[in-house]
Amino acid sequence: DAGVTQSPTHLIKTRGQQVTLRCSPKSGHDTVSWYQQALGQGPQFIFQYYEEEERQRGNFPDRFSGHQFPNYSSELNVNALLLGDSALYLCASSGSSGGFFHSYEQYFGPGTRLTVT
Amino acid sequence: AQTVTQSQPEMSVQEAETVTLSCTYDTSESDYYLFWYKQPPSRQMILVIRQEAYKQQNATENRFSVNFQKAAKSFSLKISDSQLGDAAMYFCAYGDTDKLIFGTGTRLQVFP
Repeated sequence: DAGVTQSPTHLIKTRGQQVTLRCSPKSGHDTVSWYQQALGQGPQFIFQYYEEEERQRGNFPDRFSGHQFPNYSSELNVNALLLGDSALYLCASSGSSGGFFHSYEQYFGPGTRLTVT
Repeated sequence: AQTVTQSQPEMSVQEAETVTLSCTYDTSESDYYLFWYKQPPSRQMILVIRQEAYKQQNATENRFSVNFQKAAKSFSLKISDSQLGDAAMYFCAYGDTDKLIFGTGTRLQVFP
């Protein structure tokens, strides 16, 4: 049973560019959350996708956007990259039951390390 | 807004000894979850233990146990019989039905 997978593992971009990160949830999970982890910090919640819609959003600018596909996989897009966007981006998946979301069952992927130069 | 505070940036313990990591949180909710995650250098977040706020009994998972004090909003992690493989960043997290809020982490070093 494959866990949460993310691609790519590492990415180097230049300021002003755009980047797309990808996540495949754990089998049986339908909800995907994205977190940003700056160096030396704890992960910060970016947003969550369920049924192909953004269900909840953290305190991140509109440059951060996402998408969820019918197979529950998800993308995180960041436009107009800033040096401060350099971080580890974590994807976490969880299941839902009748619309009740189980944050206590969030499983994390290995992350994508984004470096903006 | 909910917050999570870990006041120990670094802790160290000798192999086979016991260490306790501290965590406090703030919330006005009565129903929530609390977690300890381990993040080794491989970066993968691994769930160590979780506690449902409505349960008075402290959670245990093998060598890992918590001391959950709901009124004090305190949630500490005790690691018994520490092993070299326990060395990692440990994050305390608060969870509602939608998202997790993390503390800044405690780096645990284990010495042989």
